[in-house]
Amino acid sequence: NAGVTQTPKFQVLKTGQSMTLQCAQDMNHEYMSWYRQDPGMGLRLIHYSVGAGITDQGEVPNGYNVSRSTTEDFPLRLLSAAPSQTSVYFCASSPTMGAGELFFGEGSRLTVL
Amino acid sequence: TQLLEQSPQFLSIQEGENLTVYCNSSSVFSSLQWYRQEPGEGPVLLVTVVTGGEVKKLKRLTFQFGDARKDSSLHITAAQPGDTGLYLCAGSSGSARQLTFGSGTQLTVLP
Repeated sequence: NAGVTQTPKFQVLKTGQSMTLQCAQDMNHEYMSWYRQDPGMGLRLIHYSVGAGITDQGEVPNGYNVSRSTTEDFPLRLLSAAPSQTSVYFCASSPTMGAGELFFGEGSRLTVL
Repeated sequence: TQLLEQSPQFLSIQEGENLTVYCNSSSVFSSLQWYRQEPGEGPVLLVTVVTGGEVKKLKRLTFQFGDARKDSSLHITAAQPGDTGLYLCAGSSGSARQLTFGSGTQLTVLP
């Protein structure tokens, strides 16, 4: 029962470095999204996708890029890491948008020094 | 941007006590979800409410959607240590294509 798989689980970067957080789901869900979770701020949407080849910005997209070449994969790229991007990142998928249940990965904890 | 405010932010109670957490907004939502998140894991859906005034029960947990669909509450009866976690509400409106999450209530139930 893989569900949504995120890698890596932990990562430390230096300011200015780039990296990609990987996300894969095996439930054939069309909708996928990336959130960041910071203390006292809940989950904030970074980018989302409603299907292969389609992506859109969420609430806090600056400094992040995404692509959706397949239904299964939705990687999140940090172009030039900044300390403000220190956070826990969650990938989620859903069979529908809006009121549909979100299935989350276990999270990726990123620290930018 | 639609905002969801949750209260209290932190709650620590003894096993067996009852508690209520709140999720409030000035915006109308077409549906509202409640998730529970345990340390080191992603949130897991508990319930979805879609009709104003709707009440749903999940064992000792009772969820209510406000009549005007702007607020919701979660009541736990006879809390147990296994109820410990971060409770998040999330709202969806007809015009938005994604969920808006509240900041969460961190519940600790002490044995």
